[in-house]
Amino acid sequence: DAEITQSPRHKITETGRQVTLACHQTWNHNNMFWYRQDLGHGLRLIHYSYGVQDTNKGEVSDGYSVSRSNTEDLPLTLESAASSQTSVYFCASSGHSTGDTEAFFGQGTRLTVV
Amino acid sequence: RKEVEQDPGPFNVPEGATVAFNCTYSNSASQSFFWYRQDCRKEPKLLMSVYSSGNEDGRFTAQLNRASQYISLLIRDSKLSDSATYLCVVIGRSGGSNYKLTFGKGTLLTVNP
Repeated sequence: DAEITQSPRHKITETGRQVTLACHQTWNHNNMFWYRQDLGHGLRLIHYSYGVQDTNKGEVSDGYSVSRSNTEDLPLTLESAASSQTSVYFCASSGHSTGDTEAFFGQGTRLTVV
Repeated sequence: RKEVEQDPGPFNVPEGATVAFNCTYSNSASQSFFWYRQDCRKEPKLLMSVYSSGNEDGRFTAQLNRASQYISLLIRDSKLSDSATYLCVVIGRSGGSNYKLTFGKGTLLTVNP
C-alpha cells in the first residue's frame, strides 16, 4: 500500500545544530507540505512543493529550508536549531492539481531543541 | 481576518448529545473544503469532504455556505470514540494552477460517559 513516512519519529538536538527531518511518500503525489503544530496555534504551514525543483515558503518559513530533488521526498532542514522550533512536525502529500483530493499525513516528528 | 477560523472550544458533551462545529474562511475563491479528525499525538486524517449540497455520513453531517463563507460539522448521538480534535481545511489557489491547504486551529471535543 502507498504511504507517507517521516523519520525520525522523535529527535532531541542542541541549539545551533543543523537538523534534517525526512519525509518520503510512495503515492507519487506532486504536492507535498510541511507543517508544525503547537498548542494554541494549530497546524501552520512551513514550506510546500508542487513538484520536483519547486519549493515555496509558507507562513512560518524563517529558519527552515526544503529541497525537492525527486517526487518522493521533501526533507525539511532547520539551519540552526532554536528552542522556539521545539514542536511536532507533520509532512503531508496530496495528488490532484485541482485541489479536490484529500491530503495524507505522515505520523509526525516530535522535535525537542535543548 | 485569519484565513480560516474555527470555534475555539473545547466542547465537553455527554454521550448521545448532538454537537456542532463551525468554521469560517476569508477567501471567497476557495475551492474545496474538508473536515479532518486528529486524535491525541496522532496525525490528522480525513473525516469527510464538504459539498455545497451538504453531505452526510452516518452520524456526521457537513454543510457549506458559500454566501456566508462558512462550513459546519454536525455530530449526532455522540460516542466516546468521537473524542478528538476536529480541523477544518480550506483549499484555495496559490498562484497559477496550484492549490494550498489551510487548516483551522482545531476544536477539541470530549465526549463524557
